[in-house]
Amino acid sequence: QVQLVESGGGVVQPGRSLRLSCAASGFTFSNYGMHWVRQAPGKGLEWVAVTWYDGGNKYYADSVKGRFTISRDNSKNTLYLQMNSLRGEDTAVYYCARAPSKVDSGGVDHWGQGTLVTVSS
Amino acid sequence: QLVVTQSPSASASLGASVKLTCTLSSGHSNYAIAWHQQQPEKGPRYLMKVNSDGSHKKGDGITDRFSGSSSGAERYLTISSLQSEDEADYYCQTWGTGIHVFGGGTKLTVL
Repeated sequence: QVQLVESGGGVVQPGRSLRLSCAASGFTFSNYGMHWVRQAPGKGLEWVAVTWYDGGNKYYADSVKGRFTISRDNSKNTLYLQMNSLRGEDTAVYYCARAPSKVDSGGVDHWGQGTLVTVSS
Repeated sequence: QLVVTQSPSASASLGASVKLTCTLSSGHSNYAIAWHQQQPEKGPRYLMKVNSDGSHKKGDGITDRFSGSSSGAERYLTISSLQSEDEADYYCQTWGTGIHVFGGGTKLTVL
């Protein structure tokens, strides 16, 4: 079965960096687009970024553009999110999620369990 | 601008049915959407994709009590024979190339 396991969350000071990882298993990782979606405490879901199956195309929400970078290593079945210049409003649970296609169409059809990032001094 | 709108809350009695609505913004009435469920203190779970013609494809293991439909710019999630574990937040999601949006979610209370 599809499994997505996020790691790398924690407490970080404003302005610092953090890298999240998502280990994928149970499917052919290199055949699917992958997303990061976040949820601030008590709030709804917010899409963050997506990468196509081969890492060739990447798209970002305006709120993170220029600060966050999504990437993937298909040889390791792992998705990453490099987060720089972190702000308090980036505090959230970050979910890794699979697209049902090679590109970024079709929404999300599987979710990880999430990893909490807290930005605080 | 691509936006999906949901009512913040809904309620229905145990054993009854409820229909949740997701409305697409003007000019996007032919877009498909996906429904996701988030039970308290848990991560989201994919329920189904609903197309503009009302056809829908459910995720693995999703009970037949959940169904989807469409009318114009509205996409629906109907839950029948409500159970206590259906009490959750329900989010709709839509997408275009390079843009993905979630609705604000509907909090469903089972009375």
